[in-house]
Amino acid sequence: GAGVSQTPSNKVTEKGKYVELRCDPISGHTALYWYRQSLGQGPEFLIYFQGTGAADDSGLPNDRFFAVRPEGSVSTLKIQRTERGDSAVYLCASSPVMSTGSWAEQFFGPGTRLTVL
Amino acid sequence: AQKVTQAQTEISVVEKEDVTLDCVYETRDTTYYLFWYKQPPSGELVFLIRRNSFDEQNEISGRYSWNFQKSTSSFNFTITASQVVDSAVYFCALKSGAGSYQLTFGKGTKLSVIP
Repeated sequence: GAGVSQTPSNKVTEKGKYVELRCDPISGHTALYWYRQSLGQGPEFLIYFQGTGAADDSGLPNDRFFAVRPEGSVSTLKIQRTERGDSAVYLCASSPVMSTGSWAEQFFGPGTRLTVL
Repeated sequence: AQKVTQAQTEISVVEKEDVTLDCVYETRDTTYYLFWYKQPPSGELVFLIRRNSFDEQNEISGRYSWNFQKSTSSFNFTITASQVVDSAVYFCALKSGAGSYQLTFGKGTKLSVIP
């Protein structure tokens, strides 16, 4: 089946602009995650959705970052007033629901490379 | 707080050599999960293995093997008879805490297998 897809694959924008990054999870996966990966670093957690609601947004760096998942499938990460420091690869992952006490691996998309000039 | 340390930034080996990637983790939770992911040059993270804190049984899968030792908080990964296609960045990750759903990643180890 199809994996996690992300669009666009590359986004170049100017400082101060607004951007939206889209994630299509694997069909049937109720959990969706956003991570940010800076050059030479491991991915850093941003936000986690279970269904339509953000269950954990503790990784969002500030209020310029916001994410939605209105129908429990596709998610959009929104960044307002972009800054050069926002340049990174934004990764989306999804996982299926597991029984209580267990944990499922996260399947990652190819990422969106955001460059803020 | 949880932390994952991958002390090896870059490793180069000649094809067919064995190579071990080190991972040390920190967590105060008694229940946690450990993962290894591979990130080839294409950029997509590929899941390799998951282990929970109650399962210290080490495993061999083809050319891959894992050594999980709670006593030293280590979860090392070995590739036997390395191949050029193994060249990638390898990440160790931790998920701990009953109420946490995020993965904490190490900084990764870049493995280059030279033909």
